Amino acid sequence: DSGVTQTPKHLITATGQRVTLRCSPRSGDLSVYWYQQSLDQGLQFLIQYYNGEERAKGNILERFSAQQFPDLHSELNLSSLELGDSALYFCASSVGLNGQGVYGYTFGSGTRLTVV
Amino acid sequence: GENVEQHPSTLSVQEGDSAVIKCTYSDSASNYFPWYKQELGKRPQLIIDIRSNVGEKKDQRIAVTLNKTAKHFSLHITETQPEDSAVYFCAATEGQAGTALIFGKGTTLSVSS
Repeated sequence: DSGVTQTPKHLITATGQRVTLRCSPRSGDLSVYWYQQSLDQGLQFLIQYYNGEERAKGNILERFSAQQFPDLHSELNLSSLELGDSALYFCASSVGLNGQGVYGYTFGSGTRLTVV
Repeated sequence: GENVEQHPSTLSVQEGDSAVIKCTYSDSASNYFPWYKQELGKRPQLIIDIRSNVGEKKDQRIAVTLNKTAKHFSLHITETQPEDSAVYFCAATEGQAGTALIFGKGTTLSVSS
């Protein structure tokens, strides 16, 4: 167990629907990052939050949004889902503003999203 | 923004051989370059990293080299073992003040015994 908890582990939903993925960072970590992993695109950076505020944005679609709550857990909301959104969504956390510490990013186990 | 290219996408070696994975990055201000290993069905984990003020770093059988002028860095694994089989990702920060890591598309390394 890495200390980063992601729920649910698996999610199957229909096109057009909306889902929420949840991430609890490792205790003490203030930064949360969301990544999308698909077979041909590797790990695509979506968005980063640091201590409740958006810090950096990557290739996140307008249909996707995220937030980090006062208790530091984060949620990634995916709406108007398309078949192409099927992927493994990873959350990672780090102590500081970036993942350059001794342990780097600590990744969660991921949420496998299947859109049918 | 930062773009990281990684080659090869797949690599097959015999146990005991060396393996080299290469990455290039686009943002000359990037200053931190980690490598992550992802075993099948598991989460990525940091295996080694290098900062822009260092040219080479070693940790037992793995080493990373950085050429800032050419904007490329490489992972070297010597005396490969079957348990080295995994997907390896290189990454770079987005600019000098970048806080998020931009990953390459990964290299699937297969070590056969």
